[in-house]
Amino acid sequence: AQKVTQAQTEISVVEKEDVTLDCVYETRDTTYYLFWYKQPPSGELVFLIRRNSFDEQNEISGRYSWNFQKSTSSFNFTITASQVVDSAVYFCALSSIAAGNKLTFGGGTRVLVKP
Amino acid sequence: DTEVTQTPKHLVMGMTNKKSLKCEQHMGHRAMYWYKQKAKKPPELMFVYSYEKLSINESVPSRFSPECPNSSLLNLHLHALQPEDSALYLCASSLGHAENNEQFFGPGTRLTVL
Repeated sequence: AQKVTQAQTEISVVEKEDVTLDCVYETRDTTYYLFWYKQPPSGELVFLIRRNSFDEQNEISGRYSWNFQKSTSSFNFTITASQVVDSAVYFCALSSIAAGNKLTFGGGTRVLVKP
Repeated sequence: DTEVTQTPKHLVMGMTNKKSLKCEQHMGHRAMYWYKQKAKKPPELMFVYSYEKLSINESVPSRFSPECPNSSLLNLHLHALQPEDSALYLCASSLGHAENNEQFFGPGTRLTVL
């Protein structure tokens, strides 16, 4: 069985602060994919990034960066210089063939960026 | 066109009503999904269609009936719902139903059952 844990339920920061969202996953599969989605108050989940289990390179995209560490089964997400528009719920998710190609979501972390 | 559209945005229905939710995508995706999301919870998968055939039904009660008329459209027919079915219903699509295909989500239909 797969499991994704996002231990932080809510994080509140002041604009321009950095914020790091933790994601820890469990799977017995050797090949799997990890995802991050953003869900703003409007409700639509927005795809942010996909990472496969064989690619442990960290990635930076603008103010977003991701740190994948297979040794600790973690796929953490950092927003640098946060902005009010970053306020949303962020979901980490896991998918693998053995789990029927279904997305297993973490519980989500609500980020509130105050001006 | 890189979006998934859903109608209606909001729906209020009584427990004896019959209504339908609609979802459309024009990205050429061959997999489409229905999710249910309760407040402060992650989305829960309900159904998966792959190449217009139902491939996954996550033991959803029969009062929810999905339909995929063609590769671009996905419907969810609702009948005799319960108040606990009130939730945000999200549609998603992906290139195929594979573990590496990211899913693109619509804005959802916020359903209230009275």
